Amino acid sequence: LAKTTQPISMDSYEGQEVNITCSHNNIATNDYITWYQQFPSQGPRFIIQGYKTKVTNEVASLFIPADRKSSTLSLPRVSLSDTAVYYCLVGRTKAAGNKLTFGGGTRVLVKP
Amino acid sequence: GAGVSQSPSNKVTEKGKDVELRCDPISGHTALYWYRQSLGQGLEFLIYFQGNSAPDKSGLPSDRFSAERTGGSVSTLTIQRTQQEDSAVYLCASSSLAGPTDTQYFGPGTRLTVL
Repeated sequence: LAKTTQPISMDSYEGQEVNITCSHNNIATNDYITWYQQFPSQGPRFIIQGYKTKVTNEVASLFIPADRKSSTLSLPRVSLSDTAVYYCLVGRTKAAGNKLTFGGGTRVLVKP
Repeated sequence: GAGVSQSPSNKVTEKGKDVELRCDPISGHTALYWYRQSLGQGLEFLIYFQGNSAPDKSGLPSDRFSAERTGGSVSTLTIQRTQQEDSAVYLCASSSLAGPTDTQYFGPGTRLTVL
């Protein structure tokens, strides 16, 4: 499984855009990039997933450069409720028996 | 429909006792995972069930840990002779394996405290 590296923590303010970059230099051809969000005392929640270029949904955007060795999760106009830990994961498709390996994540604190 | 549910939400036990943790996956999801999360840490994979295939037990930390999945639905994680280092939140996730990737949906977890 590809190893991922992301910042331990980030602080932001309400209304700002938060960008979290994850490095995954050893990403394999079949690997997808997935981000999860975890609030205190809850299980992780799927946010977004992508393979290349840009993916956008109602929660976030995911930017993946052509070499796929990194990816950036973008949270637009954050609010206090976006305070959580964000995990970047790189894993293979279901055919390869995907087991998610979560690192320490990035602890995002949104301040008023 | 309902999400993944786990019970109990909290479990306090004494060192040396056995505990059982239950997971009810989303109906129709064929894959089920157990993870462990220690305080302030990331998730640690424990075991994976997929359909009728033999489970992937590669993440179980010792032979005190075992899990079953009956009828392809409910799963029970059993920890025998609990130790203080077993204290953690135990998370269950399920996925349908529909589409090319494996999006996992997590339950709220069971917080286990071993005194």
